[in-house]
Amino acid sequence: KNEVEQSPQNLTAQEGEFITINCSYSVGISALHWLQQHPGGGIVSLFMLSSGKKKHGRLIATINIQEKHSSLHITASHPRDSAVYICAVNLGGGGADGLTFGKGTHLIIQP
Amino acid sequence: KAGVTQTPRYLIKTRGQQVTLSCSPISGHRSVSWYQQTPGQGLQFLFEYFSETQRNKGNFPGRFSGRQFSNSRSEMNVSTLELGDSALYLCASSLGGLINYGYTFGSGTRLTVV
Repeated sequence: KNEVEQSPQNLTAQEGEFITINCSYSVGISALHWLQQHPGGGIVSLFMLSSGKKKHGRLIATINIQEKHSSLHITASHPRDSAVYICAVNLGGGGADGLTFGKGTHLIIQP
Repeated sequence: KAGVTQTPRYLIKTRGQQVTLSCSPISGHRSVSWYQQTPGQGLQFLFEYFSETQRNKGNFPGRFSGRQFSNSRSEMNVSTLELGDSALYLCASSLGGLINYGYTFGSGTRLTVV
């Protein structure tokens, strides 16, 4: 069983729709990250969370430590948001264990 | 400020050869972690270095090794290449230490083993 589970695996939506991607984890973590990967491979870090909620532009990330669950929301989605979104966790403090990743959510936003 | 630089971007090697990949972190970042990405297994942690010390290693065979230099630049080496080593290899730099910081990823090295 994967320690980090994401849903859905694939998501196709129309421009302007509100998007939610979910991440559940089964182990104790020190931080959770949301990453974005575009075709070609480059990965961009969107958020790092250890509690609560963060917002950056049209992106919102929340985490519920008790339920071991995080969500990434995209408001007013746009075709340029099309990418793979990856949830990743730090199992220990300081990053010594690196990141443990979910399988990713492939998002396509159609005009 | 300069991002994380990985070289080379693309590499084609023959089975049995060895390969060395390089990662230059953001200035001031002391932690470098390496990851392998394949279509079948997704992203997997290889190892992490902080201040020239390997603090942890993922579940990979001993053919995969790495090191970090005093300027925080890191290299990873894969010996006796196998077809299954074909992958995108990514490194990420972070301030490191005892608490978590965000990561900045390099563009990756795409290795093809033939």
